[in-house]
Amino acid sequence: NAGVTQTPKFQVLKTGQSMTLQCAQDMNHEYMSWYRQDPGMGLRLIHYSVGAGITDQGEVPNGYNVSRSTTEDFPLRLLSAAPSQTSVYFCASRAWERKNTEAFFGQGTRLTVV
Amino acid sequence: SQQGEEDPQALSIQEGENATMNCSYKTSINNLQWYRQNSGRGLVHLILIRSNEREKHSGRLRVTLDTSKKSSSLLITASRAADTASYFCATDVSGNTPLVFGKGTRLSVIA
Repeated sequence: NAGVTQTPKFQVLKTGQSMTLQCAQDMNHEYMSWYRQDPGMGLRLIHYSVGAGITDQGEVPNGYNVSRSTTEDFPLRLLSAAPSQTSVYFCASRAWERKNTEAFFGQGTRLTVV
Repeated sequence: SQQGEEDPQALSIQEGENATMNCSYKTSINNLQWYRQNSGRGLVHLILIRSNEREKHSGRLRVTLDTSKKSSSLLITASRAADTASYFCATDVSGNTPLVFGKGTRLSVIA
């Protein structure tokens, strides 16, 4: 049982490049989300999804796109990377219809934009 | 914006001592959760306390919740070097809303 798997673990991009951060979970969780973690800022919510075909914006959505075509996968796309997007990105999933559940996190993707 | 704010930002104690971290939040909540993050790793869930609960225990962890003061505390008893990590509180407004995290407390336990 792998839980939440993120790839890649590390990535360096040039300003203006695009890329997709992958996230997959094998717990059949309805809810998936993306957070970014910056020094001194804690975790901030970028986008989330409560099921296939349903996505919504979090606190810091600008510059990021998401889609949810399957229950298992929730990729995060950077269309034109900027240095301000240098951060550590975490994907998390939770059971949703059953309330008061814990979140399971991936190991993170450390992204540097130069 | 951040819902929860942990206090202190950093804490350094000797092995065997107790560590107490506090979390304050702004709006009414359905539950509050504590997570741990080892350096460079993902967050791991420690404990969840619902708004109608005042105290909860799990092993060496004790969590309290005071909804009138909008605050929670996490106590780790008999700390070990392996408890060195960052600890975050997260709030859930209705039971299945996105978790909103605080900025965390960095705990260092010195052997």
